[in-house]
Amino acid sequence: QSALTQPPSASGSPGQSVTISCTGTSSDVGGYKYVSWHRQHPGEAPKLIIYEVNKRPSGVPDRFSGSKSGNTASLTVSGLQAEDEAHYFCVSYAGPSNYVFGTGTKVTVL
Amino acid sequence: QVQLVESGGGVVQPGRSLRLSCATSGFTFSNYGFHWVRQAPGKGLEWVAVIWYDGSYEYYAESAKGRFTISRDNFKNTLYLQMNSLRAEDTAVYYCVRDTAAGAAYFDYWGQGTLVTVSS
Repeated sequence: QSALTQPPSASGSPGQSVTISCTGTSSDVGGYKYVSWHRQHPGEAPKLIIYEVNKRPSGVPDRFSGSKSGNTASLTVSGLQAEDEAHYFCVSYAGPSNYVFGTGTKVTVL
Repeated sequence: QVQLVESGGGVVQPGRSLRLSCATSGFTFSNYGFHWVRQAPGKGLEWVAVIWYDGSYEYYAESAKGRFTISRDNFKNTLYLQMNSLRAEDTAVYYCVRDTAAGAAYFDYWGQGTLVTVSS
């Protein structure tokens, strides 16, 4: 199973929005509602920010939103803040006995 | 609060075995499924294995099938990964990750990881 494709980098100024894509196939992203997004700061464990394509865990601000169209899932971070500068990655369920990770995106707040 | 703490990593020769442990606290361990996920130096994240909340199902990545075994002790609140016939390409940081009972790809809590180095 190939990794899900994400852009290596994305950036935006404080207050702006940035959208990150996560492209797979009909066997993973396109075939299931089980896509999650995670944010990771250097030296820290990843943190879940979106699950089941567009649901936010308790405590995650509504600046974070997820969506999916076909084989591509997307994460939008609105109202960029300095703390949003981090590494972001997606994960998709890919059928029984399989999960696929995205290649990861470094978000820079200008 | 939720805590997952991996241990057992280290330097091991090719062909040898190693067992990783993941001690958990702060939640009801037996209600959740768990994964092992690894990241080789300079590479992306790779899913290794998953075990359901009651241990009834285990699934493995092709790279782990036949060599690795995931298990759990619901009394000790601990997850394990037995790794046999280790290869240089198994060198990575190994993470213990919590999920829903039957593995719905939430990956909601991660440990800090333990480094496994396979080298002669």
